[in-house]
Amino acid sequence: KQEVTQIPAALSVPEGENLVLNCSFTDSAIYNLQWFRQDPGKGLTSLLLIQSSQREQTSGRLNASLDKSSGRSTLYIAASQPGDSATYLCAVYHSGNQFYFGTGTSLTVIP
Amino acid sequence: DVKVTQSSRYLVKRTGEKVFLECVQDMDHENMFWYRQDPGLGLRLIYFSYDVKMKEKGDIPEGYSVSREKKERFSLILESASTNQTSMYLCASSLTGRGAKNIQYFGAGTRLSVL
Repeated sequence: KQEVTQIPAALSVPEGENLVLNCSFTDSAIYNLQWFRQDPGKGLTSLLLIQSSQREQTSGRLNASLDKSSGRSTLYIAASQPGDSATYLCAVYHSGNQFYFGTGTSLTVIP
Repeated sequence: DVKVTQSSRYLVKRTGEKVFLECVQDMDHENMFWYRQDPGLGLRLIYFSYDVKMKEKGDIPEGYSVSREKKERFSLILESASTNQTSMYLCASSLTGRGAKNIQYFGAGTRLSVL
């Protein structure tokens, strides 16, 4: 069964810093990997989708990379802002129409 | 924009009650999902449905059932609510056959407390 791990579980950084969130998965036979943001008590908002044939995707200050063979993805956030404070989750789309989620990284950006 | 709407943001129920959580999506998606989210455990799949009247068990179906009578609506039913079902419940939908372009869209979540 696919297992998805996110390290670290929590991260605090001062405003303006660049940071990297990590996601690893055990089975490389994925269709895609998706990064989500979740604010406290809210649902998940999709940030970036990387298809299995792609190496990276960018949206504004966010850049996500995918190394399918090693089972790793990173989410890079440039010039962090207090508004970036949230929990970030990654999910892989696997066979059988199922998505597998990591437990998330809780990010705090300190003004 | 895809919209996934969960009928309640917050619910408080008593032990033993029958509870219905409703989810509606407006993008004609074939697949719909119910997850629960607990601290330290992440999202766990309860049930999913890939077509009207079709359902598949996820990782933690015990104590739950689902109904999908119409394509746009997927209901989660707690037959007899228990305190260990206190959780955040998230509904999601996606298309079939998109392969690597398949994306899940989520509702805002329902925070259920069972007393």
